[in-house]
Amino acid sequence: QLVLTQSPSASASLGASVKLTCTLSSGHSSSAIAWHQQQPEKGPRYLMKLNSDGSHIKGDGIPDRFSGSSSGAERYLTISSLQSEDEADYYCQTWGTGIRVFGGGTKLTVL
Amino acid sequence: QVQLQESGPGLVKPSETLSLTCTVSGGSVSSGSYYWSWIRQPPGKGLEWIGYIYYSGSTNYNPSLKSRVTISVDTSKNQFSLKLSSVTAADTAVYYCARERCSTTTCYAGFIDYWGQGTLVTVSS
Repeated sequence: QLVLTQSPSASASLGASVKLTCTLSSGHSSSAIAWHQQQPEKGPRYLMKLNSDGSHIKGDGIPDRFSGSSSGAERYLTISSLQSEDEADYYCQTWGTGIRVFGGGTKLTVL
Repeated sequence: QVQLQESGPGLVKPSETLSLTCTVSGGSVSSGSYYWSWIRQPPGKGLEWIGYIYYSGSTNYNPSLKSRVTISVDTSKNQFSLKLSSVTAADTAVYYCARERCSTTTCYAGFIDYWGQGTLVTVSS
C-alpha cells in the first residue's frame, strides 16, 4: 500500500534552516514525490517534484532557499534562511497508475 | 501562466449532488501531457485526493468515494467538472481543482504543478 508519512509539526527560528521529512511506505522507496506549501488561509502551491536520486524540478518562482534531497525511502525539503512567510503547512504527494496519495502534512512554525 | 478557477454552489443540501466546474486558462485540457484532478480539504484537516481525468476521457477515483464521484471534461469550453452524489455533512470542504504534469515520458501518472484557489462547499439543510 502506497502511504506517505510526515511529522505533524516542526519549528525553527527566523533566519535558520529546517529540514522536513516525507517517508515512503515499504516497497516504494524509489518513487518520486512532490512538495506543496499551504500558507494560512490560502490554497496549496507546488514547490517541487523530487526524484529518488535527489534531482528536482521546482515550480515557477520558487526561491533558491527551497531545496530537496533524498535518502532511501525518505524525501526531504530543506528551507534555508527562514522567513516569516515560510510558516505554513507542507504536504508531500506521490502517485501511481490510478492512484494519488498525500501525506498528512507538517505544520511549520517559524519562531 | 496556467490558471485554474473553481465555480459552483457554495451550499448543498444533504442527499443532493455537489457540482463544481474548473475553468482552465493558459493551457488546454485536450493536451496529452496533463491530467486534471480534484482534491478536497475538510476544515482544519489535510488534503484528500478525489480523482482525475485524462484528455482521452479515462478517469480514476479515490476508492473511498468511487461510488459517488463522476469527473468529466468539456474540451469546447476548456473545463472539467466534478459531481459528488448523496452528500452529507462529511463532504463539507474546500474543493480544489489542479493540473498534473506527466511524471514520465510514458505519462502513466502525474504530479500536481498548478492548483486552483479553491472553493468552500458546505453541506447543510
